[in-house]
Amino acid sequence: DIQMTQSPSSLSASVGDRVTITCRASQSISTFLNWYQQKPGKAPTLLIFAASTLQNEVPSRFSAGGSGTEFTLTISSLQPEDFATYYCQQSYTTPYIFGQGTKVEIK
Amino acid sequence: EVNLVESGGGLVRPGGSLRLSCAASGFTFSGYWMTWVRQVPDKGLEWVATIKQDGSKEYYVDSVKGRFIISRDNAKNSLYLQMNRLRAEDTAVYFCARDWEVGISDYWGQGSLVTVSS
Repeated sequence: DIQMTQSPSSLSASVGDRVTITCRASQSISTFLNWYQQKPGKAPTLLIFAASTLQNEVPSRFSAGGSGTEFTLTISSLQPEDFATYYCQQSYTTPYIFGQGTKVEIK
Repeated sequence: EVNLVESGGGLVRPGGSLRLSCAASGFTFSGYWMTWVRQVPDKGLEWVATIKQDGSKEYYVDSVKGRFIISRDNAKNSLYLQMNRLRAEDTAVYFCARDWEVGISDYWGQGSLVTVSS
């Protein structure tokens, strides 16, 4: 199975900060990488697919990139509604494993 | 508007069975792969199973192979997860999700809690 490792596991940041989350795959997955946001008590929502394509209606302060085994999700200017847990997921091959999550908290 | 509503969760004893349902509306259900993902409370997401549009292909995480069966009824716009020989470690919130492309889940239900305990 392809393992997905996110870093950091959690971070504290202030509104307006630039935040970057990294996701590493244990083997190459090309650009078959998705990012989800999950708020407490809610279902996840798709933010980005194919490593860098923003899902409809996702604010442009979110961006992502990478290919192969290294990927990043960046929030250019953190907003109050962005405090949540973020998960990467590979969709290259089953099992479609998720990273362990990165919790973005308010500093 | 796309809507997915899970039902069928609850408390079940180890070794027991439970069937989750997911009622879909607001899109052409037969045109999409569908997926189940679970989440132990306050833990991460775990992909469980995915089924092709016509039900001809199913994929499972190893930990549920031979115990869980994903299925669908396109005439009823419904997705199912039959869970047998349940274990304590299957305790989780189970989400159904629509895959706009296989492996990419763009709409999710609100989840259904399954608790396996004696």
